[in-house]
Amino acid sequence: ETGVTQSPTHLIKTRGQQVTLRCSSQSGHNTVSWYQQALGQGPQFIFQYYREEENGRGNFPPRFSGLQFPNYSSELNVNALELDDSALYLCASSLDVGAREQYFGPGTRLTVT
Amino acid sequence: RKEVEQDPGPFNVPEGATVAFNCTYSNSASQSFFWYRQDCRKEPKLLMSVYSSGNEDGRFTAQLNRASQYISLLIRDSKLSDSATYLCVVPYGQNFVFGPGTRLSVLP
Repeated sequence: ETGVTQSPTHLIKTRGQQVTLRCSSQSGHNTVSWYQQALGQGPQFIFQYYREEENGRGNFPPRFSGLQFPNYSSELNVNALELDDSALYLCASSLDVGAREQYFGPGTRLTVT
Repeated sequence: RKEVEQDPGPFNVPEGATVAFNCTYSNSASQSFFWYRQDCRKEPKLLMSVYSSGNEDGRFTAQLNRASQYISLLIRDSKLSDSATYLCVVPYGQNFVFGPGTRLSVLP
């Protein structure tokens, strides 16, 4: 196992609600990236956090936001949920911002009804 | 042209077969590449990193062709446990761009 954990495992929300997903990175890793994976597709980069600051963002609207804490754990917040937000949300940690290998957590499966 | 493209698959092969997947990328400046495998409803797991012309790990060989901008993954002596989706990954700055994946089923 990678040592990256995520919670919750599954979540069901209704359209318009807000959700917070959590990630604990592998010990010693200070960089966390979040991805959205729709069914049958590869993961899509949402954003990356390094030492509590956002360090890059993909093509996602501002209602997708995040935080990283001093212990390098991280949260992904999504406001005003839409049906298309239904997906597997993955976080990945890496040793440092320049490190190329990323290690994924098991993901949170979000269903928006 | 999409940033990362892969053979669409699925590939259905018998146990013991050799199978190869291709991945093409658009960013000629990319210096490192990765293959991940993803089992059904699980997270991607790092299979191989490719920093130079190629890499070999047991039954798995990755080849990089910078001139043609493609990476291949060769699996020899396929096992039932190799059945998974194989994702090609190309970093673009902080963004790891994943291909859509190639699904492999190894049949008994």
